[in-house]
Amino acid sequence: TQLLEQSPQFLSIQEGENLTVYCNSSSVFSSLQWYRQEPGEGPVLLVTVVTGGEVKKLKRLTFQFGDARKDSSLHITAAQPGDTGLYLCAGSDNYGQNFVFGPGTRLSVLP
Amino acid sequence: DAGITQSPRHKVTETGTPVTLRCHQTENHRYMYWYRQDPGHGLRLIHYSYGVKDTDKGEVSDGYSVSRSKTEDFLLTLESATSSQTSVYFCAISARPRGQGVEAFFGQGTRLTVV
Repeated sequence: TQLLEQSPQFLSIQEGENLTVYCNSSSVFSSLQWYRQEPGEGPVLLVTVVTGGEVKKLKRLTFQFGDARKDSSLHITAAQPGDTGLYLCAGSDNYGQNFVFGPGTRLSVLP
Repeated sequence: DAGITQSPRHKVTETGTPVTLRCHQTENHRYMYWYRQDPGHGLRLIHYSYGVKDTDKGEVSDGYSVSRSKTEDFLLTLESATSSQTSVYFCAISARPRGQGVEAFFGQGTRLTVV
């Protein structure tokens, strides 16, 4: 069974600060996704990373896939209150039949 | 936004009664999933489907059954609801671009309370 761990579990920061959250596994994934979930809503896909070492940017968010495809990080620059939410990583194999989620990092950005 | 509709959005039911949750998609995606989300446990897979009438169990399938008679509909049934099944249930859909990973799109969830 492939498992994903995320750290930290909770993070509370002031507006304007930078932060990094991590997603780690002992298994190799063919791809990894990051989602953000707001209260009362379903998770929303932010990005998919596929290639080891890949870096993707989405405005102030930078996503990196580890060289060995076992871990990933999400870096937010100059966090804003609108970034508040639960950040989930998920990993999958090529066939979609083994698609697992990490437990999430709950981020709170205070104005 | 992906066309996924879950119904009902909220339900309160009594212990021992059967309950059916519905997920409807307009994207014609092959894969459909049912998850439950609980504090401290994250999203856990209940059942998934990889085509019409093709389903398989996830990690927390006990007490649940599913059916998929049409591409667009995936039903989750709690055969005899228990208080431990109080949770928020999410349906998700995905296409399967080979080599590009599984990108799932989620419904808005169903909050189920078993009293």
